[in-house]
Formats: sequence, structure tokens, C-alpha cells
Amino acid sequence: GENVEQHPSTLSVQEGDSAVIKCTYSDSASNYFPWYKQELGKRPQLIIDIRSNVGEKKDQRIAVTLNKTAKHFSLHITETQPEDSAVYFCAASSPAGGFKTIFGAGTRLFVKA
Amino acid sequence: DSGVTQTPKHLITATGQRVTLRCSPRSGDLSVYWYQQSLDQGLQFLIQYYNGEERAKGNILERFSAQQFPDLHSELNLSSLELGDSALYFCASSVVPSNTGELFFGEGSRLTVL
Repeated sequence: GENVEQHPSTLSVQEGDSAVIKCTYSDSASNYFPWYKQELGKRPQLIIDIRSNVGEKKDQRIAVTLNKTAKHFSLHITETQPEDSAVYFCAASSPAGGFKTIFGAGTRLFVKA
Repeated sequence: DSGVTQTPKHLITATGQRVTLRCSPRSGDLSVYWYQQSLDQGLQFLIQYYNGEERAKGNILERFSAQQFPDLHSELNLSSLELGDSALYFCASSVVPSNTGELFFGEGSRLTVL
């Protein structure tokens, strides 16, 4: 079945450094790749997404890259701040069945002040 | 506020019991998804409904069932509860058909099985 692998499971960086989270997916029909941020005790919220016809997308301090051939995509956060500390989930969505979305296991990011 | 409403927010029950979790999607969203999040775990996809019909199924146990009603709200029924069913259950909705695919999550229903 569909699978999304995410690494690392935990990431600790110093404030101001960059953070990179990587994901791979198995369903070659996937064409939409969102990233969600979940703060402690809160619901997941979309922070950035990328579609399969685009290789890179940037929104201020966050960017996502996609390599469809290799079936992997990455989240890059630059100039990290303490408020970036959260769990980040990558996901892959396939149009089959109305955008069934499969999530990675999550990365817990700690930004040390 | 995502516009997705889940009730109850918290629920404590005993093993062997049955509970029903309810979800009202955002106005206009036809698709409803259910996810299970155990402690410090990821989001496990359970099931998806679109306009009243089951559209996709994930790792949902046979003890669990769900449905989406004509008014588009959805219910997740969990029966013969076990300790391991304790988790945060999220409902999400999306605009379908759409090439956006963004999921709008509710606040979740935290189930504790004692």
C-alpha cells in the first residue's frame, strides 16, 4: 500500500540555523505534497504545499523541493526561531479516491534559543 | 478556527465499551477524513468519505466503523474498546473535487480507555 517515510524523527537546531526534513513516498500517482505543522496539543495545520508539476516552492523562511523521479521531497526552514519548535508532518496525496492523504511519521523539531 | 467541529473533546471510558465520535466539516466541504494519533505517534489514516459514500480506507480495525450522513456530518464508531485504542482522533475535511487537497483539521477528540 501507500507509504510515506520521514526523516529524521527528531531534529534539534540552534536558533538561526537551518533545518531540513526529508520524505520519500511510494505511490507514483501522488501529485500533491503538503507539509503540516502541529504544535503541542493543537491540530495539524498546513504550512506549505507543492504540486507535482513544480520542483520548488518558497514562502518566506520555508521552502519545499520535490524530486518526482526519485519520489522524494524535502522541507527547508531557514533562520529558525523558537516558535518553529513543533512536530512537522509531510504527506503525499493521490487523486485516486478524492485526494487520499498519507502522512509521514513526523519530525519533532526543537529550536534552541 | 478551521471550521471543522469535533465532539466530544474528551472522552473516558472502559475496555469493552462503545463510543461515537462526531465531526461536522467546514461549510461546503464534501469530503471527510478520520485519522488516529496515538501518543507521540503520527497520523494514521482510517477512512475517507465523500458526499456520503466511503471513498478510501486505511488501517481501520474491524471494530471501528464510520459513516457520513446526508447533512455531511460524520460519525466514527469505536466498539469493543481496548487500552490501545486510547488516542487522539482527528477529523478533517476538504474541498473535493479540487486539485488543492488541503485538509482542515478539527481540534480532535481525545479518547482514554481505562
